[in-house]
Amino acid sequence: QSALTQPPSASGSLGQSVTISCTGTRRDVGGYWYVSWYQQYPGKAPKIIIYDVTKRPSGVPDRFSGSKSGNTAFLTVSGLQAEDEADYYCKSYAGSDHPYVFGTGTKVSVL
Amino acid sequence: QVQLVQSGAEVKKPGASVKVSCRASGYSFNRYFIHWVRQAPGQGLEWMGWINPRGGTKSAQKFQGRLIMTRDTSITTAYMEMTWLTSDDTATYFCAAEATLKAFDIWGQGTMVAVSS
Repeated sequence: QSALTQPPSASGSLGQSVTISCTGTRRDVGGYWYVSWYQQYPGKAPKIIIYDVTKRPSGVPDRFSGSKSGNTAFLTVSGLQAEDEADYYCKSYAGSDHPYVFGTGTKVSVL
Repeated sequence: QVQLVQSGAEVKKPGASVKVSCRASGYSFNRYFIHWVRQAPGQGLEWMGWINPRGGTKSAQKFQGRLIMTRDTSITTAYMEMTWLTSDDTATYFCAAEATLKAFDIWGQGTMVAVSS
């Protein structure tokens, strides 16, 4: 099972928006509405920020939003803040034989 | 509060095994699958497998034969044992609970495992 493809880096100025893509196949991202996104600071455990493609857990700011088109999922961070500078990983369910696959990760920088 | 607490860092020699624990508290242990995810230094996240506290496991094909996941419900603890370690297994190992279907909502703090001769 190959990792989902994400851009290595993305950046935006304070207050602007940044969108990260997560490209898979019809056997994972394209086949299920079980894409989630995780935010990770250096040396820390990941934290879920989006699940089921578009849903936000309680406590996650509405600046974070998710979407999907075909085999590609997207995470958009609107109104960038300094604390959004982190690594972001997508994850997709991929069926019972090979259940989960993560994305390659994107480092977001806030300029 | 709901949390997962993992055991401490380990240093192992090539060919050895390591066993990492993940103690759950704040919820009914049998309720959520526990997943194991690892992250090599400077690298991305890699899903390893899950254990159903009520019974049953599933490993990623890459780890089949080397990954052993068990649990002790009496102390609400899940375990991940990796055998025949090589330097490629040097990583931080996380446990995570699937409180929401197909999502990893609750994470342990991570356990660093270093494999070196």
